[in-house]
Amino acid sequence: GAVVSQHPSRVICKSGTSVKIECRSLDFQATTMFWYRQFPKKSLMLMATSNEGSKATYEQGVEKDKFLINHASLTLSTLTVTSAHPEDSSFYICSARGRLAGETGELFFGEGSRLTVL
Amino acid sequence: SQQGEEDPQALSIQEGENATMNCSYKTSINNLQWYRQNSGRGLVHLILIRSNEREKHSGRLRVTLDTSKKSSSLLITASRAADTASYFCAGGSGNTGKLIFGQGTTLQVKP
Repeated sequence: GAVVSQHPSRVICKSGTSVKIECRSLDFQATTMFWYRQFPKKSLMLMATSNEGSKATYEQGVEKDKFLINHASLTLSTLTVTSAHPEDSSFYICSARGRLAGETGELFFGEGSRLTVL
Repeated sequence: SQQGEEDPQALSIQEGENATMNCSYKTSINNLQWYRQNSGRGLVHLILIRSNEREKHSGRLRVTLDTSKKSSSLLITASRAADTASYFCAGGSGNTGKLIFGQGTTLQVKP
């Protein structure tokens, strides 16, 4: 099946710094990528939808200036957590949808990135 | 916001038994998907059922969908210890690929 790679898988940073997480579709062109956040033992919360070449659409309650999303190419989307605080510590997961997904909506998920802000 | 509720939240069974997980959703969907997540890992797609389908099978998995009750169930037959994971349902609407996830069920299969 299609492969989506996330990097880094784990990152620890100091409070106030910015962290960038990459999501790459390795063997298909991802017209749309989605970013989710998952708290321990909780479900995935959709943060934003990222379409190649256009601005991301953020879900209600998600700060767009805090979580910067860039989808510059058909194989790469990045999530930058700016001025990170300990409450931003979480598991961030991306998913990608290819051109041929059609109506199925099947998504391919990355392995996730665990962010710890000290 | 989350799509809906899943029950049970946690399920512990013996190897060989069947596991049934239920999911209810709130909004209109055109498909419902089930995913599996091992601890600390990404999600793996298990099965998709369209809104005009009532039941679907894939190997040891059986999924039902009742759009009148806005509910779905996932049955794993002859469970194995390797099935231990969290299972999430997710509703898809429109043609955007956007999914809204349920709360998930944590399944433990004891050898």
